Amino acid sequence: DAKTTQPTSMDCAEGRAANLPCNHSTISGNEYVYWYRQIHSQGPQYIIHGLKNNETNEMASLIITEDRKSSTLILPHATLRDTAVYYCIADNYKLSFGAGTTVTVRA
Amino acid sequence: GAGVSQSPRYKVAKRGQDVALRCDPISGHVSLFWYQQALGQGPEFLTYFQNEAQLDKSGLPSDRFFAERPEGSVSTLKIQRTQQEDSAVYLCASRLRPTGTDTQYFGPGTRLTVL
Repeated sequence: DAKTTQPTSMDCAEGRAANLPCNHSTISGNEYVYWYRQIHSQGPQYIIHGLKNNETNEMASLIITEDRKSSTLILPHATLRDTAVYYCIADNYKLSFGAGTTVTVRA
Repeated sequence: GAGVSQSPRYKVAKRGQDVALRCDPISGHVSLFWYQQALGQGPEFLTYFQNEAQLDKSGLPSDRFFAERPEGSVSTLKIQRTQQEDSAVYLCASRLRPTGTDTQYFGPGTRLTVL
C-alpha cells in the first residue's frame, strides 16, 4: 500500500473552490487514488477515484499529475456541509486511510 | 435496506468481557471489510472477507479478535477479554465485487468503550 501525505488541516470559504492536495510518490502502477471523507460521527463516504486520467463526478473533480506522484481533489463550491476529514488513499483493495486533512468550511 | 448497518451503535464493556459486533452489508455484496478507528485517527484495516472466506486477517491486532461471515452475508467481529486499548469505533464496509474498483460503502460504526 502506497503511503500518502496530506496537509493536516485547511480552511476554505463557503461558496469558493476547495483544493485538497495529496502526495503519493510511491504509488505503484495498479494502485488507484481514492478520496473519501468522514463527517463527524459517521462512517467514511466515497467521493471519487482515478488511475491516470482526471475524473469528475457530481461531488468533486480529481486531478492526477502525469507522473501519478500527486493529486488534487477539487470541491467546486464548498458548503458548510463539506466540513469533514478528507482522506486520500492509494490502494487497490483494502484502504489505508492515514490521518487525512481536516477541512473547515467557514461562512 | 439501502446501506450497510451495524449494531449495536454503542457498546460499553468492562475490561475482560467478551463483545460481539454485527455488520449487515448491502445485499448481494461479495466483499466485506472491518476497520478499527481510534479516537482522532483514520480507520485501520482489520480483516477482509470474500463471501464466507476470510482472505486477509493481517490487521487483527491480537488473537483476542475474531471475525466470521458464515453464510457470506452478515458478519460478526468478536473481541474476547476486552482491554482498554480496544476502545475505538469499529467500522464495517461492503463492496459489490471482489476485484476492480468498486466503491466500499461504510456503515455508521460501533463505538466500543472498555472501562
